[in-house]
Amino acid sequence: GESVGLHLPTLSVQEGDNSIINCAYSNSASDYFIWYKQESGKGPQFIIDIRSNMDKRQGQRVTVLLNKTVKHLSLQIAATQPGDSAVYFCAENGSGTYKYIFGTGTRLKVLA
Amino acid sequence: ETGVTQTPRHLVMGMTNKKSLKCEQHLGHNAMYWYKQSAKKPLELMFVYNFKEQTENNSVPSRFSPECPNSSHLFLHLHTLQPEDSALYLCASSQERASNYGYTFGSGTRLTVV
Repeated sequence: GESVGLHLPTLSVQEGDNSIINCAYSNSASDYFIWYKQESGKGPQFIIDIRSNMDKRQGQRVTVLLNKTVKHLSLQIAATQPGDSAVYFCAENGSGTYKYIFGTGTRLKVLA
Repeated sequence: ETGVTQTPRHLVMGMTNKKSLKCEQHLGHNAMYWYKQSAKKPLELMFVYNFKEQTENNSVPSRFSPECPNSSHLFLHLHTLQPEDSALYLCASSQERASNYGYTFGSGTRLTVV
């Protein structure tokens, strides 16, 4: 079936280093992807999105890379800060529907 | 605040109780959603409303009953729940029920069924 997977439950990164969080998606028909950040006690917060006609998109300190050949999505966070500590998960729109498929999430821990 | 407000933030209820979760958005969005978030599991879509009309019931048990009186408000009525229903219930909205709009989520209601 369709699935979006974040297989590493926890990623620990030294403050100031770059973080890379990966996501594998299974539906090659997905054409829109989103990264969300969820802090403790809060709902998921939109970080950045990318459409399938792009390979890379940059935001403020964040970059999303899309490799459609291997159905892989990654989120890069530059100069990771303590405030970046959260669970990150990706979502795909399946076969171009509004019913997004969410991964289970990766917890990012920033070490001082 | 994201623009999507959920109340209450926390709820503890017995299996015989009836309670309601409330969601409110003033973002001008036309689609609203209920999601269930359990530990170590992906977000599970429960219900979708588009322009106040329910367009999706993702095989949710009848002990969960949604209500959408207008495009800004969404309720989830709960009755005779089971302990396994304990989870974080998230409301979300989007501009339209479309495949290329991200959601704006509320902070959720942490529900504990005892």
